[in-house]
Amino acid sequence: EIVLTQSPGTLSLSPGERAIFSCRASQSVSTSYLAWYQQKPGQAPRLLIYGASNRATGIPDRFSGSGSGTDFTLTISRLEPEDFAVYYCQQYGSSRMTFGQGTRLEIK
Amino acid sequence: QVQLVESGGGVVQPGRSLRLSCAASGFMFSSYGMHWVRQAPGKGLEWVAVIIYDGSNKYYADSVKGRFTISRDNSNYTLYLQMSSLRPEDTAVYYCAKGNSGYHLGWFDPWGQGTLVTVSS
Repeated sequence: EIVLTQSPGTLSLSPGERAIFSCRASQSVSTSYLAWYQQKPGQAPRLLIYGASNRATGIPDRFSGSGSGTDFTLTISRLEPEDFAVYYCQQYGSSRMTFGQGTRLEIK
Repeated sequence: QVQLVESGGGVVQPGRSLRLSCAASGFMFSSYGMHWVRQAPGKGLEWVAVIIYDGSNKYYADSVKGRFTISRDNSNYTLYLQMSSLRPEDTAVYYCAKGNSGYHLGWFDPWGQGTLVTVSS
């Protein structure tokens, strides 16, 4: 099973700042089969990024993804108030799909 | 638009069984793999199971293998999760999610609103 480790656990930033989330895999994720999701309290997760760097439909261009192999990054270029939430990475390169433990983005 | 609506959650005693359903609409259900993902209270996401488009292949997380069974009824646009020998650690919100292709590997989009399963005596 591929273990995904996200860092930091919590990110404290202000609106307008840049947020950078890290997701590190215990082994190489084939063909960059990595996705990112946003989850707000009481809501289901929402897909942001797939294939490591492709924005899902309707996702603003302030969200971007990068990386390959074992190291992946989600960047929010300028934080909006609605971006404060929990973010998860997920790998889908193996039959046992796995998620990272999540990074909480909170308002500073 | 694509819509997924889960039902069947509730409180159940340890060792008992429960069946969850997920009613799909707004897309060609029989063309897509479908997943169950769960989230224990205050915890992260855990993928549970996937079934490919025609039901011929299924994959499970080790934590539920042998206890849970995923199935689908393509004629009625419905996904199921039969859960047996339930344990307190199975307590979670269970989400169904649409895969991006007909097969088992892929991202999840969209997700249903979830149904809460509580395993407690």
